[in-house]
Amino acid sequence: SAVISQKPSRDICQRGTSLTIQCQVDSQVTMMFWYRQQPGQSLTLIATANQGSEATYESGFVIDKFPISRPNLTFSTLTVSNMSPEDSSIYLCSVGKQAINTEAFFGQGTRLTVV
Amino acid sequence: GENVEQHPSTLSVQEGDSAVIKCTYSDSASNYFPWYKQELGKRPQLIIDIRSNVGEKKDQRIAVTLNKTAKHFSLHITETQPEDSAVYFCAARTGGFKTIFGAGTRLFVKA
Repeated sequence: SAVISQKPSRDICQRGTSLTIQCQVDSQVTMMFWYRQQPGQSLTLIATANQGSEATYESGFVIDKFPISRPNLTFSTLTVSNMSPEDSSIYLCSVGKQAINTEAFFGQGTRLTVV
Repeated sequence: GENVEQHPSTLSVQEGDSAVIKCTYSDSASNYFPWYKQELGKRPQLIIDIRSNVGEKKDQRIAVTLNKTAKHFSLHITETQPEDSAVYFCAARTGGFKTIFGAGTRLFVKA
């Protein structure tokens, strides 16, 4: 299994500001994924963070709003930019299991509240 | 587009009974089907998974079945216990390495 450290675990932010969420893995993984989980809802994939190339965004998510960095095989960041109350959610990073590029393990999540 | 449907949204069973959650997927290229359990305030935890070359997999009280032709897969929990109460998500990894989640099933196990 992979040990994933995600921080911050929670934050309360003012609208119009930005928050960067960090995800650190204890082993090298090719793909890392960022999800959003709104209260009582399922997980929605925001983007796939590939090392050495730009992130791949899902429909409804854009790089200007959710810029992602992937400087190496064990670390990634997601920034939520120019926040509004609608961005209040839990954000989770996830990594693949073993050598197969499938997400199987999640960080503990970042609970974001925008006021 | 790619979609995973999950039923039921809520399931209530008596302790000791079985629980079954069903999912269907749309992308025929999907080849990996994980199931997650999420307790309140916690991250999703992988509980079991199945690959497209396998029809059934069992791990103690939990089993998953996959029907690729019908694009159906199911989670079976036998001898349910109160600690099985949680939200369960099915998911399907598409041919493009994305994992799409079902809407979730809230399972209540009554003692």
